[in-house]
Amino acid sequence: NAGVTQTPKFQVLKTGQSMTLQCAQDMNHEYMSWYRQDPGMGLRLIHYSVGAGITDQGEVPNGYNVSRSTTEDFPLRLLSAAPSQTSVYFCASSPLSPGEDSPLHFGNGTRLTVT
Amino acid sequence: EDQVTQSPEALRLQEGESSSLNCSYTVSGLRGLFWYRQDPGKGPEFLFTLYSAGEEKEKERLKATLTKKESFLHITAPKPEDSATYLCAVQAGKLIFGQGTELSVKP
Repeated sequence: NAGVTQTPKFQVLKTGQSMTLQCAQDMNHEYMSWYRQDPGMGLRLIHYSVGAGITDQGEVPNGYNVSRSTTEDFPLRLLSAAPSQTSVYFCASSPLSPGEDSPLHFGNGTRLTVT
Repeated sequence: EDQVTQSPEALRLQEGESSSLNCSYTVSGLRGLFWYRQDPGKGPEFLFTLYSAGEEKEKERLKATLTKKESFLHITAPKPEDSATYLCAVQAGKLIFGQGTELSVKP
């Protein structure tokens, strides 16, 4: 089992460029989510999905899109990158929605810099 | 407003020097409190879930406890390999993460 795999590990974008952060899990988890981690702040939820074809917004969704066409994959799209989106992005999954005795399994992150 | 606060922000210990990390929370309807460990350049790794006041869980040198207002992560006789950032998260309708405590254990 690879767990949760995120690509790329590092990315530098110029303001206005778009890109997709990839996330795949091989644990057959229904719940998948994207977080961003910034210095001095806790992990903040961007978008989440409770199953294929179902997505919803988290705490900080502006500037990001997601889709969930399969159970395994949950890509995060930056539509027009801004310096405020410089951050470390984590994808996480769990068998059920977090809290139902179902801790999150995290990938190792994508470090994004927007210049 | 639901809030999770961890203290201290950073903690430096000598090997073998026991201490505690704190996670205080103000939420309505706690459904669970999670502790995670995060190594540099890695994603958080799950350690414990606590559900009710008075509950305790242990794993090697770590013991997590829960009261109605806070949780403690006790580290007994730490080793350098325990150096990491420790995150707590509270589930109450939504999952809220604290900012983390960066623990450094020197030999």
